[in-house]
Amino acid sequence: NAGVTQTPKFRVLKTGQSMTLLCAQDMNHEYMYWYRQDPGMGLRLIHYSVGEGTTAKGEVPDGYNVSRLKKQNFLLGLESAAPSQTSVYFCAVSGTGYYGYTFGSGTRLTVV
Amino acid sequence: ELKVEQNPLFLSMQEGKNYTIYCNYSTTSDRLYWYRQDPGKSLESLFVLLSNGAVKQEGRLMASLDTKARLSTLHITAAVHDLSATYFCAVVFLSSGSARQLTFGSGTQLTVLP
Repeated sequence: NAGVTQTPKFRVLKTGQSMTLLCAQDMNHEYMYWYRQDPGMGLRLIHYSVGEGTTAKGEVPDGYNVSRLKKQNFLLGLESAAPSQTSVYFCAVSGTGYYGYTFGSGTRLTVV
Repeated sequence: ELKVEQNPLFLSMQEGKNYTIYCNYSTTSDRLYWYRQDPGKSLESLFVLLSNGAVKQEGRLMASLDTKARLSTLHITAAVHDLSATYFCAVVFLSSGSARQLTFGSGTQLTVLP
């Protein structure tokens, strides 16, 4: 039972390149979230999803796109990476009737 | 504006001492969370506080919630080196509706010195 799995764990991109981060859960939870963590700023919400096929913008959505075609997967895309997107990205999941949030292990992304 | 403020941001304390971390939030919430994060690691859930006056304790850590004051505290008793980490509070604001997204404070980096 893996819970929440993020891939990849590390990635270095050149400015302008694109990539997709995958968050996969085996908890059958409805809610999925993408956060970024920068030093001294806590975690900030990028996008989130309340169910399969639905997504919405969070606090810092610019430069990112998301998709949730299957309930268990939430993808975060960077179409044209910028150095300002250097960060650690965390996925979190939660569910109806469940007060907890389970976090993935994170993806450390560096854009050079 | 939905804001969560923690203080202090940095805390150095000696082993055996007591201290409190404060978490203020800007508007009505029905849930508050405390997390611990070790360097390079993910977030570990410590406490979930669901109602006014809620108090939870685990080992040397005790968390409380005052919804009227919009304040939560994380009290550390007789600190030990193993408690060195960054501690975050996070709030689910009622205005988030069914999305229930967490809004995080900036974190308190705790260092326990021998």
